[in-house]
Amino acid sequence: QSALTQPPSASGSPGQSVTISCTGTSSDVGGYNYVSWYQQHPGKAPKLMIYEVSKRPSGVPDRFSGSKSGNTASLTVSGLQAEDEADYYCSSYAGSNNFVFGTGTKVTVL
Amino acid sequence: EVQLVESGGGLVQPGGSLRLSCAASGFTFSSYWMSWVRQAPGKGLEWVANIKQDGSEKYYVDSVKGRFTISRDNAKNSLYLQMNSLRAEDTAVYYCARDLSPASFDYWGQGTLVTVSS
Repeated sequence: QSALTQPPSASGSPGQSVTISCTGTSSDVGGYNYVSWYQQHPGKAPKLMIYEVSKRPSGVPDRFSGSKSGNTASLTVSGLQAEDEADYYCSSYAGSNNFVFGTGTKVTVL
Repeated sequence: EVQLVESGGGLVQPGGSLRLSCAASGFTFSSYWMSWVRQAPGKGLEWVANIKQDGSEKYYVDSVKGRFTISRDNAKNSLYLQMNSLRAEDTAVYYCARDLSPASFDYWGQGTLVTVSS
């Protein structure tokens, strides 16, 4: 199972929005509404930010939103804040109890 | 408060074995699928294995099939990963995680580092 494709980096100024893409295939992202997004700060464990494409766990700010179109999912962070600077990973169900993560995107707040 | 605490990592020679443990607290452990996810140094995340609530179903990523075994003890609120025939490419931080829904892991431990090297 190949990793989902994410851009290596993305950036924005405080208050701006940044959108990260996650491209897979019809066997994973396009085939199921089971796409999640994780935030990971250096040396820390990942934190779930979005699940099932667009649902936010309790405690995650509504500045974070998710969507999907075809084989590509997206995470948008609105109103960028300094603490949003981190690595972001998508993941998707890939059928037959297989799960695949994305390659990761480093978000920089300028 | 949900807590997952991994232990058992360390330095092991190629071909060797290691058993990781994950102690869970703050939730009804027996009600959740549980997973192991790993991250090689400076690399991305990779799902390794997961196990059903009662241990009756277990699934693995292809690269560890036949070498790793996931198990759980609901009486002890513990998750395990037995790793045999370890290879250099198994070097990673191993995280224990609770499954919320397919491909969604809502709580993670702090991770334990496994280094496979001679």
